[in-house]
Amino acid sequence: EVQLVESGGGLVKPGGSLRLSCVASGFTFSSYSMNWVRQAPGKGLEWVSSISSSSSYIYYADSVKGRFTISRDNAKNSLYLQMNSLRAEDTAVYYCARDFRYCSGGSCYSIEVFDYWGQGTLVTVSS
Amino acid sequence: EIVLTQSPATLSLSPGERATLSCRASQSVSRYLAWYQQKPGQAPSLLIYDASNRATGIPARFSGSGSGTDFTLTISSLEPEDFAVYYCQQRSNWPLTFGGGTKVEIK
Repeated sequence: EVQLVESGGGLVKPGGSLRLSCVASGFTFSSYSMNWVRQAPGKGLEWVSSISSSSSYIYYADSVKGRFTISRDNAKNSLYLQMNSLRAEDTAVYYCARDFRYCSGGSCYSIEVFDYWGQGTLVTVSS
Repeated sequence: EIVLTQSPATLSLSPGERATLSCRASQSVSRYLAWYQQKPGQAPSLLIYDASNRATGIPARFSGSGSGTDFTLTISSLEPEDFAVYYCQQRSNWPLTFGGGTKVEIK
């Protein structure tokens, strides 16, 4: 069974830092691109960052570029999000999510949609 | 950045009725559009990818259509468990973007 378990959320003051972790199980973590998606309280979904399976490709939303860093440790089946210079508008539930892979005609494809999600970890930025 | 606009914001329907949800992109995303369902207190779940392909285990009452800038998610006959919020998401260009959501509520 695929499982993604986030941790590391909490209350932090503006300008502070947090490191989120996501531990994966039930699949070959090193074969999948992974993502962070957030959801502010009562609001919609916002993509935050993506990292390819070997960390060769990394992407960020403009809203977090220069402040957040995504990384992974395939030996530990873990995904991370280092969040610095936090702002009130970063308050949200942060989900880790796996890229979807499908096979057709003998070839397999990884696409940037999210087929498994963790339960989320709440980050609150407030003084 | 590609902006996705979902309409209506809220859809009030009764079980057994047909639901039609719209997602419009600010520029063409080809067929690279997905739909998700989110229930209160839960993470989203993938319904449809690449406009019309149902994800594993998704009932046939869910169908997606469209290409370019206009997309539709149709629920042919609403079941009680289908009342939720639905989001579209494009993967045509970075940054990946989501629509603002459509809430399907019980009338």
